[in-house]
Amino acid sequence: QVVVTQEPSLTVSPGGTVTLTCGSSTGAVTRGHYPYWFQQRPGQAPRTLIYDTRNRHSWTPARFSGSLLGGKAALTLSGAQPEDEADYYCLLSYSGARPVFGGGTKLIVL
Amino acid sequence: EVQLVESGGGLVQPGKSLRLSCAGSGFTFDECAMHWVRQAPGKGLEWVSGISWNSGSIGYADSVKGRFTISRDNARNSLYLQMNSLRAEDMAFYYCAKDAGGEPTSPDYWGQGTLVTVSS
Repeated sequence: QVVVTQEPSLTVSPGGTVTLTCGSSTGAVTRGHYPYWFQQRPGQAPRTLIYDTRNRHSWTPARFSGSLLGGKAALTLSGAQPEDEADYYCLLSYSGARPVFGGGTKLIVL
Repeated sequence: EVQLVESGGGLVQPGKSLRLSCAGSGFTFDECAMHWVRQAPGKGLEWVSGISWNSGSIGYADSVKGRFTISRDNARNSLYLQMNSLRAEDMAFYYCAKDAGGEPTSPDYWGQGTLVTVSS
């Protein structure tokens, strides 16, 4: 059973920079895993921030960027805003049409 | 504008069945793979099932395999999830999501979800 790992919780100061990571129990994360990043605010449905490693949707603020870093997928937030406080989930795709979510990172802006 | 509207959630007893529906609009439904994703109260996201544009490729999470069936009706721009032998651990918000492509790789656009409560 594949396990996708994320930091359970991270704290960032307003205006600061933070990097969330997404690892795979099968080894290094590559572009072939088509990493996705989702944001979920309390009481709301998830929304996609980053797709296919580093691509932003039209609604994704430019302060969010995606990359591969040290064998993991990474989501970097540069210039954190209070409204960025939320849960963030990554998703990796594996063969056999069975994508796997990470456990999520609770980001606190404080 | 992409819109996904789920329906069919509600209270159901353990062991019973429920069918969820999702109506898609604002995109070419029959070109896109579709997914169901669920979230138990206070927990993380769990991919449940995905289906390709032509129903030729279907996948399920181990936790629902043999009990849940995903299907679609492209003529009605609709996605379905037939849930049988429901258990307490199936209680969750169920989200419908469209993929960016025709094969079920990753959910991209999301609906608002429908709540399934499993309780006697």
